[in-house]
Amino acid sequence: RKEVEQDPGPFNVPEGATVAFNCTYSNSASQSFFWYRQDCRKEPKLLMSVYSSGNEDGRFTAQLNRASQYISLLIRDSKLSDSATYLCVVNPTAESSASKIIFGSGTRLSIRP
Amino acid sequence: DAGVIQSPRHEVTEMGQEVTLRCKPISGHDYLFWYRQTMMRGLELLIYFNNNVPIDDSGMPEDRFSAKMPNASFSTLKIQPSEPRDSAVYFCASSGGTVSEDEQFFGPGTRLTVL
Repeated sequence: RKEVEQDPGPFNVPEGATVAFNCTYSNSASQSFFWYRQDCRKEPKLLMSVYSSGNEDGRFTAQLNRASQYISLLIRDSKLSDSATYLCVVNPTAESSASKIIFGSGTRLSIRP
Repeated sequence: DAGVIQSPRHEVTEMGQEVTLRCKPISGHDYLFWYRQTMMRGLELLIYFNNNVPIDDSGMPEDRFSAKMPNASFSTLKIQPSEPRDSAVYFCASSGGTVSEDEQFFGPGTRLTVL
């Protein structure tokens, strides 16, 4: 089993729709969780960290479910500019979050007009 | 801040040649990471450094790959001899400093093609 698993998609949704991705992780001791965004032929960039209580940043909401070992990302009122690959990222250890982290293979999202 | 700088941006070489990729991390960051990304395997961590010291190189595919960090502002990833299966995008990332220590900042990547 992979340490971090994501549905590769692609998700093809109309502009204005709400879309959600899930990501599962295998190590129950994992401490830190993140969502990164990667545009086509560009580098990954941090979208948001995921906190135990869940967190929201504008149209984006991230949730963590430790019991089921998954994290989710919800995008409301999707825009054309949201088209990208979304990478789930997990720090599988209790070490500093700046050390080795594991990237999922990414979920591709395409927003159509 | 210029962000993480990588060179070259594109490299096309023939099998058997030596390839050297370069990275300048963000000033003040004490962690540096080398990743490789392919369609088949996604983003893989090759090696990372803390304060110029290699901490974990378990992701380095084989002895043909080597990485160095002679000082806080420069790192290289070398492939010798290169093979077609090494074709990928190689990213360098850095993290640490006083703000958002968790976040890794990626360079634009080097797109390597080995013929």
